Amino acid sequence: GPKVLQIPSHQIIDMGQMVTLNCDPVSNHLYFYWYKQILGQQMEFLVNFYNGKVMEKSKLFKDQFSVERPDGSYFTLKIQPTALEDSAVYFCASSGDDTQYFGPGTRLLVL
Amino acid sequence: GQQVQQSPASLVLQEGENAELQCNFSSTATRLQWFYQHPGGRLVSLFYNPSGTKHTGRLTSTTVTNERRSSLHISSSQTTDSGTYFCALSPNTGYQNFYFGKGTSLTVIP
Repeated sequence: GPKVLQIPSHQIIDMGQMVTLNCDPVSNHLYFYWYKQILGQQMEFLVNFYNGKVMEKSKLFKDQFSVERPDGSYFTLKIQPTALEDSAVYFCASSGDDTQYFGPGTRLLVL
Repeated sequence: GQQVQQSPASLVLQEGENAELQCNFSSTATRLQWFYQHPGGRLVSLFYNPSGTKHTGRLTSTTVTNERRSSLHISSSQTTDSGTYFCALSPNTGYQNFYFGKGTSLTVIP
């Protein structure tokens, strides 16, 4: 079936540094999402993105977070600066009219 | 926001037994999807099922929209079914921010 790719699969960084998580969504999808999952806990919505704009974001989407998709390339989540509580698995997803497809996640560890 | 309650929180089955996983939600769900998360973390979509009944292999999903509930039935469970099953809902018709339940952790023992 359709695949969403995420790069990198793992990232370890020091607190305060910047990190960019990359997502390659399904090619004909128009809606893009980021979710956060702390180990052993449920998936939580962060933000969605459509037509070059953030449509909705949750309270977890802090001011240090930003998303963009320049020129139809990767859909990115940037965290600057990172904090210890940002350690989690970040899942990218994309959708067309119905089914939402998820990437394999990027495991972020902030030290 | 949307509240999604899944039950049971965990379940242990002998291989070959059937499982019934429940999902109840607090308000109208335009979109509903069941996911399976591998023990390693990868998330797989099982069903997009906002209403009615769908089958694939040993899995059956039934959503009763006006009763705000959905179920996932696994028949003749196998050890490879072990993992976490999530129900996720969106009230939106366009972009679909999913609200996830806390999941049901299934362990199938041989």
